[in-house]
Amino acid sequence: DAGVIQSPRHEVTEMGQEVTLRCKPISGHDYLFWYRQTMMRGLELLIYFNNNVPIDDSGMPEDRFSAKMPNASFSTLKIQPSEPRDSAVYFCASGRDRNSPLHFGNGTRLTVT
Amino acid sequence: EDQVTQSPEALRLQEGESSSLNCSYTVSGLRGLFWYRQDPGKGPEFLFTLYSAGEEKEKERLKATLTKKESFLHITAPKPEDSATYLCAVQALGRGGADGLTFGKGTHLIIQP
Repeated sequence: DAGVIQSPRHEVTEMGQEVTLRCKPISGHDYLFWYRQTMMRGLELLIYFNNNVPIDDSGMPEDRFSAKMPNASFSTLKIQPSEPRDSAVYFCASGRDRNSPLHFGNGTRLTVT
Repeated sequence: EDQVTQSPEALRLQEGESSSLNCSYTVSGLRGLFWYRQDPGKGPEFLFTLYSAGEEKEKERLKATLTKKESFLHITAPKPEDSATYLCAVQALGRGGADGLTFGKGTHLIIQP
């Protein structure tokens, strides 16, 4: 099992540009989560999907953020336009069911200048 | 609102010096409490799930315990490879169907040879 795969590992962009982060969950996992990690706030849940359907997006900071899951093996998190305060490590995680532990990818470190 | 507070923020121990990490939580109803380990540049790695007060789980030099208000991660005779950030997270019951985890900010543990 390859685990949760995220790309890119690092992203550096200028303020105002569009950023797209990608995630491939573990095959057979029904739940997919997007988290953001900063020193100040720790790990924060942004949005999660169950069977490709968005269930709770209350953690998405504002309309500049959007997430999609077009099929069971792929999800994207898009920021448009990006701002310096979006700089953080973004993690994708998947889980087999609602009671299973989450498996995290190694994250995308986003720097917005 | 679910809250998780971990202490201490950082802990430096000598190899072989046992200690405990604390996780205090406030949640309307606890579905489960999770411990994760995070190494630099990596995503969190699952260690334990605890579901009810009095439950204990062990893995090598680590033992996790749970009460109605807090959890402890006991580290016995640690080795340098145990150095990492340890994260605690809670999963609440029936929060509008939400299944995501609420994380603490972690304890950064350093084991010196």
